[in-house]
Amino acid sequence: RKEVEQDPGPFNVPEGATVAFNCTYSNSASQSFFWYRQDCRKEPKLLMSVYSSGNEDGRFTAQLNRASQYISLLIRDSKLSDSATYLCVVRNTGNQFYFGTGTSLTVIP
Amino acid sequence: ETGVTQSPTHLIKTRGQQVTLRCSSQSGHNTVSWYQQALGQGPQFIFQYYREEENGRGNFPPRFSGLQFPNYSSELNVNALELDDSALYLCASSGEDSGPKNIQYFGAGTRLSVL
Repeated sequence: RKEVEQDPGPFNVPEGATVAFNCTYSNSASQSFFWYRQDCRKEPKLLMSVYSSGNEDGRFTAQLNRASQYISLLIRDSKLSDSATYLCVVRNTGNQFYFGTGTSLTVIP
Repeated sequence: ETGVTQSPTHLIKTRGQQVTLRCSSQSGHNTVSWYQQALGQGPQFIFQYYREEENGRGNFPPRFSGLQFPNYSSELNVNALELDDSALYLCASSGEDSGPKNIQYFGAGTRLSVL
């Protein structure tokens, strides 16, 4: 079983739409959780860390459910510039990062 | 920019050859992790170095090896290249300033093509 599973999409949404991505992880002892963004042929960049109480950064909201081993990312009022691949990332107790396959988002004018 | 630099940016090799990829970590970072990202996939953890010692390894064969130097820069070596080794190789660094979550910062990667 993979450490991190994501729906690869693709998600094609109109500008202004709200879109949600989900992710599950297999190791209940995982320590930290993140969403990274990766543009085509570029390196992953940190979008936001995910806190147990949920956290928001502008149009982006991340949620963590430890009991269900589930992480989510909600993007409100989608912009064209949000088009990218969104990677769910889990850090284990050994300090290694495990990535999902990524979810592709295209925001359409 | 993250301050993590990788070289070369692109590389073409043939099956059976050996390759060395290099990474300079962000100033102050003592941990370097290497990842392989095949087309359409997420990065897969190869191994991590912390203060010159290997600190964890993913599901990769022994022909993938590495080093970390006293200045915390790192090399990834791959022997006996196979066609399936064609991928983007990413290096990420982290350190005490990465906070309790040990956030990793990525270089732009080396794109390796094996023919």
